[in-house]
Amino acid sequence: DIQMTQSPSSLSASVGDRVTITCRASQSINSYLNWYLQKPGKAPNLLIYDASTLHSGVPSRFSGSGSGTDFTLTISSLQPEDFATYYCQQTYSTPFTFGPGTKVDIK
Amino acid sequence: QVQLVQSGAEVKKPGASVKVSCKASGYTFTSYAMHWVRQAPGQRLEWMGWINAGNGNSKYSQKFQGRVTISSDPSARTVYMELSSLTSEDTAVYYCARTLRPVVGVVIAGMLNHWGQGTLVTVSS
Repeated sequence: DIQMTQSPSSLSASVGDRVTITCRASQSINSYLNWYLQKPGKAPNLLIYDASTLHSGVPSRFSGSGSGTDFTLTISSLQPEDFATYYCQQTYSTPFTFGPGTKVDIK
Repeated sequence: QVQLVQSGAEVKKPGASVKVSCKASGYTFTSYAMHWVRQAPGQRLEWMGWINAGNGNSKYSQKFQGRVTISSDPSARTVYMELSSLTSEDTAVYYCARTLRPVVGVVIAGMLNHWGQGTLVTVSS
């Protein structure tokens, strides 16, 4: 199975901050990498797919980059509704594993 | 609009089985695959498997092989996930999730843009 790691595991930030989350795969996954946001008690929401494609309706302050094993999710200016947990997911090969998540909370 | 409505919470004893349903609406049911993902309390999301709702082909995570069955009833626009030989470690919220892209040939997309509301399965003696 492909193992996914994320860093940091949590971070505190203020509204307006630029936030970067890193995801690493245990082997190359080309660009088969998705990012999700999840709020407590809710299902995840797709933000980015294929490493850098912004899902329809997702604000442009979210962006993704990377290929191979190293990926980043950047929020250019954090908004109140962005405080949540972020997960990466590889879809290069089954099982489609998720990272452990990065919790973004209010400083 | 696309909607996925799952069945209600379940409480099961160890060793029992559970079957969760996911009723779809708002799109051509047989054109997409449906995945099942679970999340134990405080844990990461865990992918369980998918089914091609068009032809019934399915694929499971090795972790659940032999214990999980994902099935589809196109006439009812419903997908089912059955998990057997339950233990306390199967206590989790179970989600169905539809792929962003329709099935093309044998390619099943993995990005999931529509999710059910989740079904809590509690395994306790």
